[in-house]
Amino acid sequence: QKEVEQDPGPLSVPEGAIVSLNCTYSNSAFQYFMWYRQYSRKGPELLMYTYSSGNKEDGRFTAQVDKSSKYISLFIRDSQPSDSATYLCASLGGGYNKLIFGAGTRLAVHP
Amino acid sequence: ETGVTQSPTHLIKTRGQQVTLRCSSQSGHNTVSWYQQALGQGPQFIFQYYREEENGRGNFPPRFSGLQFPNYSSELNVNALELDDSALYLCASSPPTGGAGETQYFGPGTRLLVL
Repeated sequence: QKEVEQDPGPLSVPEGAIVSLNCTYSNSAFQYFMWYRQYSRKGPELLMYTYSSGNKEDGRFTAQVDKSSKYISLFIRDSQPSDSATYLCASLGGGYNKLIFGAGTRLAVHP
Repeated sequence: ETGVTQSPTHLIKTRGQQVTLRCSSQSGHNTVSWYQQALGQGPQFIFQYYREEENGRGNFPPRFSGLQFPNYSSELNVNALELDDSALYLCASSPPTGGAGETQYFGPGTRLLVL
């Protein structure tokens, strides 16, 4: 079992839709959770991170962590074609020195 | 403020050769991590350097080695290249203050193809 699991998609939505991206993790010791966006042939870009359970909002993006179910979510409101990318969830591994990534979900937002 | 830079952008090598990839960390960052990203997969942690010392290593064989220099730039060396080493190699840097390494900023990567 992978430590962080993510549905690879692809996910295709119309412009303006609310997008929900999800991951699960297996290690209850994980405390930090990140979302990265990766455009084709580019490096991952840190969108936001959360500590422990709860919500964090940044503009059109909301990250949510439910430690009781080991579930990580990213919501994108009013999605735009420029949001089309691969979204990677990650947890900070034991010892706090490595990111453990999911496989990434490919998102396409069409006009 | 300059972000993380990596060189070269692309590289083609043959099996058995050796390769060196380079990374300049973001200004003010003193920790560098290296990741390997195979096509269609998430990045996999190779190792991390802090103050010129290896500070953690993932499940990669010893033929993957690294260095960090006093200016916090870093190199990743891979010996005896195998076909499966074909991937995007990513460098990420972290600032010295703040918590546990949750803010890692990635460079654009070096795409390595082993034939």
